[in-house]
Amino acid sequence: QSALTQPRSVSGSPGQSVTISCTGTSSDVGGYNYISWYQHHPGKAPKVTIYDDSKRPSGVPDRFSGSKSGSTASLTISGLQAEDEADYYCCSYAGSYTYVFGTGTKVTVL
Amino acid sequence: EVQLVESGGGLVQPGGSLRLSCTASGFTFNTYVMNWVRLAPGKGLEWVSYISSPSNAIYYADSVKGRFTISRDNAKNSMYLQMNSLRADDTAVYYCARGDYLRETYFDYWGRGTLVTVSS
Repeated sequence: QSALTQPRSVSGSPGQSVTISCTGTSSDVGGYNYISWYQHHPGKAPKVTIYDDSKRPSGVPDRFSGSKSGSTASLTISGLQAEDEADYYCCSYAGSYTYVFGTGTKVTVL
Repeated sequence: EVQLVESGGGLVQPGGSLRLSCTASGFTFNTYVMNWVRLAPGKGLEWVSYISSPSNAIYYADSVKGRFTISRDNAKNSMYLQMNSLRADDTAVYYCARGDYLRETYFDYWGRGTLVTVSS
């Protein structure tokens, strides 16, 4: 399984929106409705922000949203805040209880 | 409160072995699947291994198959990763991650990780 493709970095000013793409294949992203997104502040435990393509766990602000079209998923952070600065990883279920992650995107709040 | 705490990381020479542990609390451990995920320096997250709640289903990433062994002891609320024939590219922070209860398609809680360094 090859890693899903994400942009290396995105940036935005406070209050703006940023979108992170996650591109895979029909064997992973395009084959299942099981994309999840994780926020990772270095040195801390990763935290799920989106699961099942577009669902938000309780406690995650509604400025985080997920979508998918074909083999490309997207995470949008609206109303960017300083605490959103982190690394973000997409992950796709790939069948038979195996999973593939994205290459990771560093979000910088200017 | 769900807590996952990894331990057992350290410096090991190429070809050596190491055993990682993950101790869980705050939930009914024996009803959840568990996973190991790693983050290598300068790289992205990589799923390593999955173990079902009764240990009757186990899966590995191709990169570790035949070298790593996952196991769990539900009586001790613990999961393990026995790592043999370690290589430099196994250097990473290793996280234990709980699978979601309903469909096991994402990781709903993670630990803070334990660092494994493979170097001579």
